[in-house]
Amino acid sequence: LAKTTQPISMDSYEGQEVNITCSHNNIATNDYITWYQQFPSQGPRFIIQGYKTKVTNEVASLFIPADRKSSTLSLPRVSLSDTAVYYCLVGPSGSARQLTFGSGTQLTVLP
Amino acid sequence: DAGITQSPRYKITETGRQVTLMCHQTWSHSYMFWYRQDLGHGLRLIYYSAAADITDKGEVPDGYVVSRSKTENFPLTLESATRSQTSVYFCASSEQGSPHGANVLTFGAGSRLTVL
Repeated sequence: LAKTTQPISMDSYEGQEVNITCSHNNIATNDYITWYQQFPSQGPRFIIQGYKTKVTNEVASLFIPADRKSSTLSLPRVSLSDTAVYYCLVGPSGSARQLTFGSGTQLTVLP
Repeated sequence: DAGITQSPRYKITETGRQVTLMCHQTWSHSYMFWYRQDLGHGLRLIYYSAAADITDKGEVPDGYVVSRSKTENFPLTLESATRSQTSVYFCASSEQGSPHGANVLTFGAGSRLTVL
């Protein structure tokens, strides 16, 4: 299973774009990259998933370079309500064995 | 309501007692998981199940027992609770055939367990 590394914490201000990078040097050919968001006292919830290049949805964008050894979650114009912990997961979509979350990145959005 | 539900949401018990946390999902998802979350450790996988009657250990299985006789239920039992098992426990499920695949998990609201 690919090990992931993320910054422990990040601060931003309202209205700014935030980019959170995850390193996954030993990603396998059939692995997908999935990001989750967790608010206090709640379970994590799915944000976005990608395999290569760029994926965008109504919440975020995910940028994946050609070598796929890292990925960047981009949150456009963050608000105070985006303060949360963000987790990057790497694994095959066809098998959910041993999905490990790591410690995630605590994003704090300041007014 | 459809979804994934955990019970109890809050539980206080004493060292040495047996505790069972329940998890029920209405989607008939193949995969189910139990995680614990402690300050400074993020989410750690305790056990997971790929289907009914198929379970396997995660990162921190010691002191826990699971079963999955029915697809929709995945109870987690602490056979003899210890203070170190004080934590928030999250159950999750996923489906291999879903649009994003098996590694997109849907989580329950969590069960906060305190062992005195």
